[in-house]
Amino acid sequence: EDQVTQSPEALRLQEGESSSLNCSYTVSGLRGLFWYRQDPGKGPEFLFTLYSAGEEKEKERLKATLTKKESFLHITAPKPEDSATYLCAATLVSKLIFGQGTTLQVKP
Amino acid sequence: EPEVTQTPSHQVTQMGQEVILRCVPISNHLYFYWYRQILGQKVEFLVSFYNNEISEKSEIFDDQFSVERPDGSNFTLKIRSTKLEDSAMYFCASSEAIGTGGLFGPGTRLTVL
Repeated sequence: EDQVTQSPEALRLQEGESSSLNCSYTVSGLRGLFWYRQDPGKGPEFLFTLYSAGEEKEKERLKATLTKKESFLHITAPKPEDSATYLCAATLVSKLIFGQGTTLQVKP
Repeated sequence: EPEVTQTPSHQVTQMGQEVILRCVPISNHLYFYWYRQILGQKVEFLVSFYNNEISEKSEIFDDQFSVERPDGSNFTLKIRSTKLEDSAMYFCASSEAIGTGGLFGPGTRLTVL
C-alpha cells in the first residue's frame, strides 16, 4: 500500500534553533515529492517539488532534500512566523498522498 | 499572483441535505482536484478531473459525490445526501500538468448537523 509517514508529529524549537523534519515514503511509481505549509484553518500552501533522488530546493530558511526513500525539510535559524504544520505529499500521476504533517512551533 | 478560490468558506447543513461546493481554479490550469481533511486528520484525495472527465477517484468518492465543470471557470463538488461523517474541510486544487501536485484553495468548512 502506498504510504507517506512524517516525523515527528510535533516539534517545538526556540527561535534560531535549526532542525529537520522527516518524510518517509513507500510509493510505487513516484512522480514527485511535495512539501506544503498549512496554517490553522487554511489550505496547504505550496513550498517545494522534488523529482529525483539527490535533488535539493531552497527558499529562505527552508531547504528540502530527497533520497530514494525519504525527504527532509531542513529549517535553519527558524523564526516564530515559521510556526505552522508542514505537510509532505507524494504524487502518483493524478493524485497526492499526504502524510499526517509535522506541527512546528517556534518560540521567541 | 493567481490563486484558487472557493465558496462558501463555511457551509452548515442538515444531515440528508444536498450541498454544492464551488471552486474557481487558476485560469490556465487543466487538471482539477478535490481533497478533504477531517479535523485532526490527514488531507485525503477525493477525485481528479481532466478534459471534462474524472481521471481518478478514491474509495471515499462514492455515488453520493459528483463533480462538474459547468462552465469555463467553475469546478463544483456535489454531495447528494450529506452524512455526519462528511463534516470536514474540503479543498479544491488545480495544476497545469499531470503529476505536478497542485495549488490549493483556502477550503470550505462543511458542518453537517
